[in-house]
Amino acid sequence: DSGVTQTPKHLITATGQRVTLRCSPRSGDLSVYWYQQSLDQGLQFLIQYYNGEERAKGNILERFSAQQFPDLHSELNLSSLELGDSALYFCASRGQANTGELFFGEGSRLTVL
Amino acid sequence: AQSVAQPEDQVNVAEGNPLTVKCTYSVSGNPYLFWYVQYPNRGLQFLLKYITGDNLVKGSYGFEAEFNKSQTSFHLKKPSALVSDSALYFCAVRGDTGRRALTFGSGTRLQVQP
Repeated sequence: DSGVTQTPKHLITATGQRVTLRCSPRSGDLSVYWYQQSLDQGLQFLIQYYNGEERAKGNILERFSAQQFPDLHSELNLSSLELGDSALYFCASRGQANTGELFFGEGSRLTVL
Repeated sequence: AQSVAQPEDQVNVAEGNPLTVKCTYSVSGNPYLFWYVQYPNRGLQFLLKYITGDNLVKGSYGFEAEFNKSQTSFHLKKPSALVSDSALYFCAVRGDTGRRALTFGSGTRLQVQP
């Protein structure tokens, strides 16, 4: 158990809909990272938050947005969903050390029909 | 920009034999290198990392990795493979400055046959 919690574990929805994925980082970790894992794209970095502020953006689509709340949990919002958005979405948190590895949650599997 | 190449989609090895999963990287500055393992329907689990120091890094479950600066490689190794090692392995890199998000390779599926 990494200590990172993600909900829901599975989500099935239709094209054009909007979903919200939730992540709670490990106790004491201030950084949250979102990754997308799909069969054809591998693991892609989407966005990073640190203590409530956006720190880095990767390959995140404009239809996607995220935020980190004062209690440090984070939400990833996916809107106008397309079939190609079907993927595993992982959240990870990192400890305070500059060299720290990322600790990943179990992921949220999104299926868009 | 930083990148990772894992040239083998799949590695097959017999139980008890040594295994190697290859990884090469490109990054600005000094590399921070990581290996993760993913079992079916699970998240990524951290195995080991290289930040500085000894080029041979030891990690979880008997795995080790060798950092080679001149070849920009960080191959994962294990002296004696177990069937339970069968999983998807990812190499990841970040530089010592700039963005702290890890860039992952495409993954290598390790299949250990009994």
